Amino acid sequence: DTGVSQNPRHKITKRGQNVTFRCDPISEHNRLYWYRQTLGQGPEFLTYFQNEAQLEKSRLLSDRFSAERPKGSFSTLEIQRTEQGDSAMYLCASIGGGSTRNEQFFGPGTRLTVL
Amino acid sequence: GNSVTQMEGPVTLSEEAFLTINCTYTATGYPSLFWYVQYPGEGLQLLLKATKADDKGSNKGFEATYRKETTSFHLEKGSVQVSDSAVYFCALSDRGDTNAGKSTFGDGTTLTVKP
Repeated sequence: DTGVSQNPRHKITKRGQNVTFRCDPISEHNRLYWYRQTLGQGPEFLTYFQNEAQLEKSRLLSDRFSAERPKGSFSTLEIQRTEQGDSAMYLCASIGGGSTRNEQFFGPGTRLTVL
Repeated sequence: GNSVTQMEGPVTLSEEAFLTINCTYTATGYPSLFWYVQYPGEGLQLLLKATKADDKGSNKGFEATYRKETTSFHLEKGSVQVSDSAVYFCALSDRGDTNAGKSTFGDGTTLTVKP
């Protein structure tokens, strides 16, 4: 297992289009987190899953955003009707159990540019 | 709510200089504290962590001590190298099982080390 992977790494889209990102966490990590990072800022929490259950959503996650983790493994984040303000890096992280249960392992991110 | 305040950057140092990046936090509970590093074009990597008061996290010559009385977790390195040039993020997460892993980040401090 080589860590958390995210696809695509870069996405350029036109305003109004829908986009979907994928995150593959470290195998057997039951918690999965999505963050958004804009230029010059730290990551901001969007939502998280424990197995397939979505347990919390930030108020940053508007109705145009939806996330799923259907089988408790990979997760997708969809943005509908994209806006220029959605341009950001979208980060995924996963956490396992045991002694590292507070330690997040981050993926490389998907950079979204909305034209 | 939780918040993290980091020393504003950018910070520019000469090789072998001493580094301090200040970080203070506000938390409703008793959080775990982290420093992450982000190299250009890459995702966040955990640099070090501390989970209780007076713990010292250390890695790759970097150190930070969990100071509950001053709610601080300052990052230090005795002799920086050009390869340490990156963005450094201070973060905290709740220690309770419910929110373990959901992190609050500072805005990051950009470090540039010149030869």
